[in-house]
Amino acid sequence: AQTVTQSQPEMSVQEAETVTLSCTYDTSESDYYLFWYKQPPSRQMILVIRQEAYKQQNATENRFSVNFQKAAKSFSLKISDSQLGDAAMYFCAYRSLHNQGGKLIFGQGTELSVKP
Amino acid sequence: DGGITQSPKYLFRKEGQNVTLSCEQNLNHDAMYWYRQDPGQGLRLIYYSQIVNDFQKGDIAEGYSVSREKKESFPLTVTSAQKNPTAFYLCASSIDRWGLNYGYTFGSGTRLTVV
Repeated sequence: AQTVTQSQPEMSVQEAETVTLSCTYDTSESDYYLFWYKQPPSRQMILVIRQEAYKQQNATENRFSVNFQKAAKSFSLKISDSQLGDAAMYFCAYRSLHNQGGKLIFGQGTELSVKP
Repeated sequence: DGGITQSPKYLFRKEGQNVTLSCEQNLNHDAMYWYRQDPGQGLRLIYYSQIVNDFQKGDIAEGYSVSREKKESFPLTVTSAQKNPTAFYLCASSIDRWGLNYGYTFGSGTRLTVV
């Protein structure tokens, strides 16, 4: 069974600085998707970024980028120029491409605070 | 606008009662999911459904039941057999039941508290 681990329960960053959130996963599969989701105080889950495992190029979405290391099974999220609105819980998630109903497997979450 | 509607936002249950959480989507998505969120544990899958009239147990299905009689609806019943039901419940949907399209849409959640 696949597992996702986020080893940082809490992180803090100064406004305008850069922060990196860590995520590791365990799988025997070669094809899968990885995601980062943001959950602000409203509790609404928002997709931040996604990465297909077959792509070597790291995904980027504006100030958000990932460092995908497939051999190391590592998928970290870098937030550049941090803003107050980035404060939220961040979840790393794994999705198999095999027939498991499309379910997402989530890590435990990292709570990010942004200091003005 | 298309989306997922969960109701109610807050729900209080007495010990020994069954309660049903509503999840409705107008996105024409095939697959729907129920997740439970507890502090420090991320989201855990309760049940999922890939198609109408079919559903599968997730990782923590004990004490829960679901139905999928219509494509747009996937209600979750928390039964009295669920020993610790106080949690935040999230419903989600995905356009594709084969996992080929990777987008998920989440509802805004229901906070269930046992009193």
